Amino acid sequence: GAVVSQHPSWVICKSGTSVKIECRSLDFQATTMFWYRQFPKQSLMLMATSNEGSKATYEQGVEKDKFLINHASLTLSTLTVTSAHPEDSSFYICSVGQPNQPQHFGDGTRLSIL
Amino acid sequence: GEDVEQSLFLSVREGDSSVINCTYTDSSSTYLYWYKQEPGAGLQLLTYIFSNMDMKQDQRLTVLLNKKDKHLSLRIADTQTGDSAIYFCAEIPKAAGNKLTFGGGTRVLVKP
Repeated sequence: GAVVSQHPSWVICKSGTSVKIECRSLDFQATTMFWYRQFPKQSLMLMATSNEGSKATYEQGVEKDKFLINHASLTLSTLTVTSAHPEDSSFYICSVGQPNQPQHFGDGTRLSIL
Repeated sequence: GEDVEQSLFLSVREGDSSVINCTYTDSSSTYLYWYKQEPGAGLQLLTYIFSNMDMKQDQRLTVLLNKKDKHLSLRIADTQTGDSAIYFCAEIPKAAGNKLTFGGGTRVLVKP
């Protein structure tokens, strides 16, 4: 069965809207989750590490005020794309994994900003 | 530094074997992974190998690891049309915490 649930799977919205994506760990409590962005025909780019109960750790070049991450519980992390613009259109994927264990990925969220 | 490289594309006939190759630079990883991504979907963990192993077989999948050359391969026997996807190899270097480093992905096209 699924280890990670990601919702929604597809969002279309107008420019300037904020969009929230949820990532849930179904099988275990996750102190750490990861958020990735994927452009068409490219590999995954790590955006940030979501840490339960503390601030997320962002990769270089990722705007933390643009991509807000909240990890309020051991089973839920959210990524909010604030004031989204067409250049934010992408495929966003989360992953969950225990240390030294394989990471499991959500099904991804396709975000389209008009 | 951390760098994982894969060939971009592989075309194979249904029923043949596919071999996808990957090279990596950081030898500190405990495990190396293969993920599969179908169009519009997330990543599915296919298999992984412990770094002190040379080979792992799981049904139609065979993973070979050459630590000396830092080379990882995934062989799919009796390739089916449902195997058409992008395949990513990945590692977690010890210095990276639990963060995956991905290759660029190999697009496999299976022709009937």
